[in-house]
Amino acid sequence: QVQLVQSGAEVKKPGASVKVSCKASGYTFTNYYMHWVRQAPGQGLEWMGTINPSGGSTGYAQKFQGRVTMTTDTSTNTVDMELSSLGSEDTAVYYCARGGRYCSSSAICNDQYYYYMDVWGKGTTVTVSS
Amino acid sequence: DIVMTQSPDSLAVSLGERATINCKSSQSVLYSSNNKNYLAWYQQKAGQPPKPLIYWASTRESGVPDRFSGSGSGTDFTLTISSLQAEDVAVYYCQQYYSKWTFGRGTKVEIK
Repeated sequence: QVQLVQSGAEVKKPGASVKVSCKASGYTFTNYYMHWVRQAPGQGLEWMGTINPSGGSTGYAQKFQGRVTMTTDTSTNTVDMELSSLGSEDTAVYYCARGGRYCSSSAICNDQYYYYMDVWGKGTTVTVSS
Repeated sequence: DIVMTQSPDSLAVSLGERATINCKSSQSVLYSSNNKNYLAWYQQKAGQPPKPLIYWASTRESGVPDRFSGSGSGTDFTLTISSLQAEDVAVYYCQQYYSKWTFGRGTKVEIK
């Protein structure tokens, strides 16, 4: 079945960087966009950005531009999200979530860049504390 | 960015009664070329990731009970739970995917 398995919890000091991994299985990795969404304690959901695992093109929320980097490794079906210059406000659960289907040519299929998130990882807790 | 406004923030409903959650977008999320509303609903139980319930404003995700339904178009949307069950206690979020992705602040549903 389709699964997204995320890396374990992290504790970081202010100013440091954190990298969270998301390993996909049960589907063709390069056929679907991947998103990162975070949730601060007791708060709502916040979209951070998306990556196309086929080629690695990215789109980031303006709030995180310059501080977030998303990468993909097709040999291990893994997407990584690195967030730098951490502050206490970055303490949150970080989720990867599968997006719509990527299609390189409209002659073959319909690209679903704007689509909902149909499969979610269990989340990775990142705590930023001195 | 499109702002999603949910109401109410919380509601308490008796078992078997109807629960209604509203979601309003700051601009239309109806794409005219395909007549689809780019609006989804998610359910999040305590300690769990969000689970998709509804997409395209009214299409139920596979396996979701038919007591959950979505309606609306343009800028105004509703999630209805026709007969609340104990396992429906959760926070519900609307999300637009018309222009990037943004979520409402969530509505907490409890048993009265």
